[in-house]
Amino acid sequence: NAGVTQTPKFQVLKTGQSMTLQCAQDMNHNSMYWYRQDPGMGLRLIYYSASEGTTDKGEVPNGYNVSRLNKREFSLRLESAAPSQTSVYFCASRKWDTRTFGSGTRLTVV
Amino acid sequence: AQKITQTQPGMFVQEKEAVTLDCTYDTSDPSYGLFWYKQPSSGEMIFLIYQGSYDQQNATEGRYSLNFQKARKSANLVISASQLGDSAMYFCAMSYEPTSGTYKYIFGTGTRLKVLA
Repeated sequence: NAGVTQTPKFQVLKTGQSMTLQCAQDMNHNSMYWYRQDPGMGLRLIYYSASEGTTDKGEVPNGYNVSRLNKREFSLRLESAAPSQTSVYFCASRKWDTRTFGSGTRLTVV
Repeated sequence: AQKITQTQPGMFVQEKEAVTLDCTYDTSDPSYGLFWYKQPSSGEMIFLIYQGSYDQQNATEGRYSLNFQKARKSANLVISASQLGDSAMYFCAMSYEPTSGTYKYIFGTGTRLKVLA
């Protein structure tokens, strides 16, 4: 099915560990995004990529890095996980004004 | 600064009744878009409806309609004939272009709707 695929769906990390969240879209969209969702705060933009080869910081980029590997894939990396990064992470791609979201990754940092 | 405000953290509605979820926004840009998303308990984000700032008519998509009042800067979502499957979190969002070539998209904090049988 066409859409945005995120892996993994769930992850538990220890403080200081690193990991990469994977995202791929097969809709040929140019723009891709990483959001985090926290209770009472809606979705906040971490990083985005307007096109292949470009990335830009969003609202809450600290503690994260991203890679736009190709047009399909946009990964989010936590180099040294902290408990404050416990959240639900969503990848999205853009067509015109709307976003198509992945199913989310629930990350817990202990 | 641009902002989206959803003042209702939670709401209840009886099945088959209509419900309005409030959303107000703040922007100085003349061109912007307003969106509603649904997030069921399974966690995915589902696009529901879109309203452009220059659209003359209120957007409708099936049982969803967007009550757009530009002067009041409100973009309320109306769900008619509520169904049990409408129980979910609902997010209002806004897109805008503060400078040429940049593109911003912000979300409200959400309203949790519970439909009662």
